Amino acid sequence: EAGVTQFPSHSVIEKGQTVTLRCDPISGHDNLYWYRRVMGKEIKFLLHFVKESKQDESGMPNNRFLAERTGGTYSTLKVQPAELEDSGVYFCASSQDDVQGKNYGYTFGSGTRLTVV
Amino acid sequence: QKEVEQDPGPLSVPEGAIVSLNCTYSNSAFQYFMWYRQYSRKGPELLMYTYSSGNKEDGRFTAQVDKSSKYISLFIRDSQPSDSATYLCASYPPPGKLIFGQGTTLQVKP
Repeated sequence: EAGVTQFPSHSVIEKGQTVTLRCDPISGHDNLYWYRRVMGKEIKFLLHFVKESKQDESGMPNNRFLAERTGGTYSTLKVQPAELEDSGVYFCASSQDDVQGKNYGYTFGSGTRLTVV
Repeated sequence: QKEVEQDPGPLSVPEGAIVSLNCTYSNSAFQYFMWYRQYSRKGPELLMYTYSSGNKEDGRFTAQVDKSSKYISLFIRDSQPSDSATYLCASYPPPGKLIFGQGTTLQVKP
């Protein structure tokens, strides 16, 4: 099966510009997550979609970040306007719960490396 | 205090060595524990998954969880140069978001 696909793989933008990251999860996976790794820090949770609904967005840094998931399929993460501290690697992951509602780990994409200059 | 603590290393071992990677966690509600492996410029890849305390073995890899001491371990036997990567421990209380450690960079030298 195809894995989680993210694009672009790299993006370099100037402070104040807008960037949109896209994630295509594994087909049929209801759960979609966004994570971010800032240099020197651990990977941190941003938000969780179940189908098209935001289940948990407690990790979103501020209102410059907007995530959407169209029709429960692909997702976009928009940063507007971008700031220097937004630089990092943004990972998307997807998963599917079993019939008992258990989740056995996520499949991650390769990430988008965002550099704000 | 971070919820999951992991020594970032780097850790360098000769080929064939036994590698021990460790994490501690602070949240007693954590029930699921995972180890991910991440190669350079790639996303994390799930290696091992354990629920609650105990051991789980998969080939050369063994994951251990000791909930009494809030300690998570990953052992790699007969380490190979292809094992060189960053290893991330992670956990979560159900449902939802993973809490990661910082990751330990491992280099296995031929």
